[in-house]
Amino acid sequence: GQQLNQSPQSMFIQEGEDVSMNCTSSSIFNTWLWYKQEPGEGPVLLIALYKAGELTSNGRLTAQFGITRKDSFLNISASIPSDVGIYFCAGLHVGNTGKLIFGQGTTLQVKP
Amino acid sequence: DAGVIQSPRHEVTEMGQEVTLRCKPISGHDYLFWYRQTMMRGLELLIYFNNNVPIDDSGMPEDRFSAKMPNASFSTLKIQPSEPRDSAVYFCASSWVGLGETQYFGPGTRLLVL
Repeated sequence: GQQLNQSPQSMFIQEGEDVSMNCTSSSIFNTWLWYKQEPGEGPVLLIALYKAGELTSNGRLTAQFGITRKDSFLNISASIPSDVGIYFCAGLHVGNTGKLIFGQGTTLQVKP
Repeated sequence: DAGVIQSPRHEVTEMGQEVTLRCKPISGHDYLFWYRQTMMRGLELLIYFNNNVPIDDSGMPEDRFSAKMPNASFSTLKIQPSEPRDSAVYFCASSWVGLGETQYFGPGTRLLVL
């Protein structure tokens, strides 16, 4: 089925470093969402974006809705060990009410 | 406020048995989604409901899978008969159109079919 291209697939970084990940699509989305999933739990919503060009922050997390509506990125500043997990982007395709398309996920590991 | 509630959290069963997974969405949400997550395929949407009515079940893998939503506060996903390849984590999520359709996930049911 349709999927978003999320990169990188995995990251192994030192505590304190900044992290950047992104999602791209060949088609337009009208909503972008970023989720984090920790082991044994369901995905938890981090940031929701509803307008092209929108830049939203949630603590050390910042996400942007690309101006072309075909991409989004998530930045984590000054990473800490509890940032470990899998980060998923998800997009709501124009004209496809309710049905999110998920990226493959970025696995983040942080070395103390 | 309570989030999405799923039960059971873990299920181990033998091949051929019937499995029923349960979900209680967030009160007031009008969309309910069932997903399956595996290492190989990631998160897959199986089916979703709007106002208790199934809208898209194109992700349901085969006739062994069925889902119902008899009222706004309860949904079931049933597998009959179960097979080892059904082993996965099954998530339920709900959303409200007024939130831009942001979906909130339950903790999942970890299913192992032996």
